[in-house]
This record gives sequence, C-alpha cells and structure tokens, in this order.
Amino acid sequence: GQQLNQSPQSMFIQEGEDVSMNCTSSSIFNTWLWYKQDPGEGPVLLIALYKAGELTSNGRLTAQFGITRKDSFLNISASIPSDVGIYFCAGQLRTNAGKSTFGDGTTLTVKP
Amino acid sequence: EAGVAQSPRYKIIEKRQSVAFWCNPISGHATLYWYQQILGQGPKLLIQFQNNGVVDDSQLPKDRFSAERLKGVDSTLKIQPAKLEDSAVYLCASSFWTGESDTQYFGPGTRLTVL
Repeated sequence: GQQLNQSPQSMFIQEGEDVSMNCTSSSIFNTWLWYKQDPGEGPVLLIALYKAGELTSNGRLTAQFGITRKDSFLNISASIPSDVGIYFCAGQLRTNAGKSTFGDGTTLTVKP
Repeated sequence: EAGVAQSPRYKIIEKRQSVAFWCNPISGHATLYWYQQILGQGPKLLIQFQNNGVVDDSQLPKDRFSAERLKGVDSTLKIQPAKLEDSAVYLCASSFWTGESDTQYFGPGTRLTVL
C-alpha cells in the first residue's frame, strides 16, 4: 500500500526560529493535508492542498503541494512555544473515497 | 458546533478481555472513521462508514475487531479478545465532502492499555 515518509522525525528549536518539515510518498496523491496533534487530543487540520504546485498559508504556517504530487512541505515561521506538538502529513486520493494515509509525524519542541 | 465525542477516554484491560469504544460524530457528517494510533506512529485507518454502510474495512483485523454504525450516527468499535499489541489510541473522525476533499474532524481518542 501507499506509504508516507516524514522528516525529520523530531526537531528541537529555539523560540523565534523558522521550521521546515517534509513528506514524501512512493505514489501520487490528489490532496495533501497537514495536521497538528497535541498530547491527549486528536489531530487538528492545519492546511489542505488540492493542486500540484499550490502554496497555501495559514498565519505563520505555509505548505506546498509538490509538483510531482509525491511530496509536500510545511514551514512554520517565527516559532512560539505553543507550536510544540506532533505534525502529521496525510495524502488522499479522490478515487479512494476520502481515505487518508498518514505519515508517522514530526515531533516539534520549541525552547523558550 | 460540538465536536466528535468519544468515550471512554482511557481504558485498561487484561489480554483476552473484551472492550468497546463509542463515538458520536459531528451532526450531519455522513462519513465516520475509526483509526488506530500506536505510540510514535501516525493514525492507521481501521474502518470507514458512509452513513451506516461500510466503505473500507480492509485494514480491520476481523478475527477480533468489529464495528457498527447501525443508525448512521453513533458508532461502536469492539475488540474481542484483546491482545497486548492492541495497546494504542483509538481515534474516531467524521467528515463531509467539500467537493474537493474529505475534511476530517477527529475526536480526542480512547487510550487503550492491554496488560
């Protein structure tokens, strides 16, 4: 089946720094999604991308849908302590009734 | 708007026992999902319902796991008998089709520990 590789697995950064993480797949997706999960909670959708090459922002977060449709990137600018959490990418195929395949996450730690 | 509700939040059982989880999706959401999230991994889909019909249960270990959504609203997921490797967070999500994608909203999950 489809697999998503997320990197890095974890990041330790200083407050105010920018963060970049990415997700790659062995096969294409029609939609890329980025979620954040806080401890004891379910994932919350941050950004959804629907077209190859699309660049979308949500506040300090920016995500891009790769041209090949096999990758996606998430950037966080000027990190703050509440950015701490696990960030997941997920891919969807329109032919698959909305089924999402998730990566294993990037754990972000922000030091004040 | 109320979110996806799940109960219980935590459950500890011994192996070979049975357990059931309950999910109440967001009102009006036709699609409901159950995911298993093992520590350190992303959610893995177990089963997907569209109203009260099963769309995808290819990843559900059917020898021990079962799920139902009888009236197309609430859903229950059951494990019988439980194994040690079933220790995980079980997430329920519901969604509606936007025309471009399937926007899923997750509940807080049930953390299961099998001893």
